[in-house]
Amino acid sequence: SQTIHQWPATLVQPVGSPLSLECTVEGTSNPNLYWYRQAAGRGLQLLFYSVGIGQISSEVPQNLSASRPQDRQFILSSKKLLLSDSGFYLCAWGDRAAGNTIYFGEGSWLTVV
Amino acid sequence: AQSVTQLGSHVSVSEGALVLLRCNYSSSVPPYLFWYVQYPNQGLQLLLKYTSAATLVKGINGFEAEFKKSETSFHLTKPSAHMSDAAEYFCAVGPLYQKVTFGTGTKLQVIP
Repeated sequence: SQTIHQWPATLVQPVGSPLSLECTVEGTSNPNLYWYRQAAGRGLQLLFYSVGIGQISSEVPQNLSASRPQDRQFILSSKKLLLSDSGFYLCAWGDRAAGNTIYFGEGSWLTVV
Repeated sequence: AQSVTQLGSHVSVSEGALVLLRCNYSSSVPPYLFWYVQYPNQGLQLLLKYTSAATLVKGINGFEAEFKKSETSFHLTKPSAHMSDAAEYFCAVGPLYQKVTFGTGTKLQVIP
């Protein structure tokens, strides 16, 4: 069966520090991959999505970036964090064989101080 | 282009009462529709999905949703609310091979 893992689960970072959140999917190949963010009291905001290695689409302008160095690995990064980057980050993968059903990881809480 | 509107950011029901969470969608192609549930500090879990088969879809935990093309709706229902149903619920639309768009969520409160 397919599984998705993301880490770290929680982190507290100072303003201006770098960020790296990692996500891996197991048990499938060539999935669509997504990074979402949930700010407190707000809905899901799609940040990036990828349909293949090296293919990244950005949904909103920001100081975050994403990379897909391997088929089932998706990384969210920042060179310098802002206070407004705080939130709950969710990695997800899309199963094209199941009507593009999306399955989510456990989420990562980021607090920028 | 596609979009989802969830009516009501907060819904309160009494334990044992009917749960009705509303979702309307817009899509330029035949839609695939989803409902997810999120418990505090957790990721989203798939409740059910519509992918152009039966219009009445049954999901986990006793939830079901009906696809109504004429009304562009995909409302989520459960006959009898349980305390454990208290969570946030997200409707989503995602035509095949296109990105999935989520609604802003509805927080369900169950009153004992």
